[in-house]
Amino acid sequence: EVQLQESGPGLVKPSQSLSLTCSVTGYSITSNYWGWIRKFPGNKMEWMGYISYSGSTSYNPSLKSRISITRDTSKNQFFLQLNSVTTEDTATYYCARGGVLFDYWGQGVMVTVSS
Amino acid sequence: DIQMTQSPASLSASLEEIVTITCQASQDIGNWLSWYQQKPGKSPQLLIYGATSLADGVPSRFSGSRSGTQYSLKISRLQVEDIGIYYCLQAYSAPPTFGGGTKLELK
Repeated sequence: EVQLQESGPGLVKPSQSLSLTCSVTGYSITSNYWGWIRKFPGNKMEWMGYISYSGSTSYNPSLKSRISITRDTSKNQFFLQLNSVTTEDTATYYCARGGVLFDYWGQGVMVTVSS
Repeated sequence: DIQMTQSPASLSASLEEIVTITCQASQDIGNWLSWYQQKPGKSPQLLIYGATSLADGVPSRFSGSRSGTQYSLKISRLQVEDIGIYYCLQAYSAPPTFGGGTKLELK
């Protein structure tokens, strides 16, 4: 069974970087696409980007200067880094299998940006 | 970016009732539309892809349809376990964009 699990700090200070890990079991990240999506307080959802089976990436232009998605195939993990965060980046962050269509999701990790 | 206008924002319905949620795309997106259900305290789950195709394991009371640039999710007989927030997602044009969500509650 495909399972995804996000991990990372729940509190980040403004101007710092947010770094999250998605650990995947039951499926190799060298197949398919792997995405990050976030849900803001108030329920708005935003597609952030993905990393492909080959390691290529695609990002939301609204985040392009701040976001990086990378991977470690030896650990079957992929990562999200979001730089220069503000309080507006406070959200629940999900990793999921897929690039633009998501059939397996992690349970989500709530990240608060606050000093 | 393509705007997905989802309605209603909230909906209260009775058990066994027919429920319909719609998403209006700001331009043609073909059948590049999926629907997700997020139950309270859970992560989103794929319900419908390609506008009309039922995802694996999803009950047949869920269905998707398209009329031009308007997309609909129908629950034929509402059950208790259907309570949650529903989202549409267009994937025709980058970046993919979500509708604003519909919060479905029991009356």
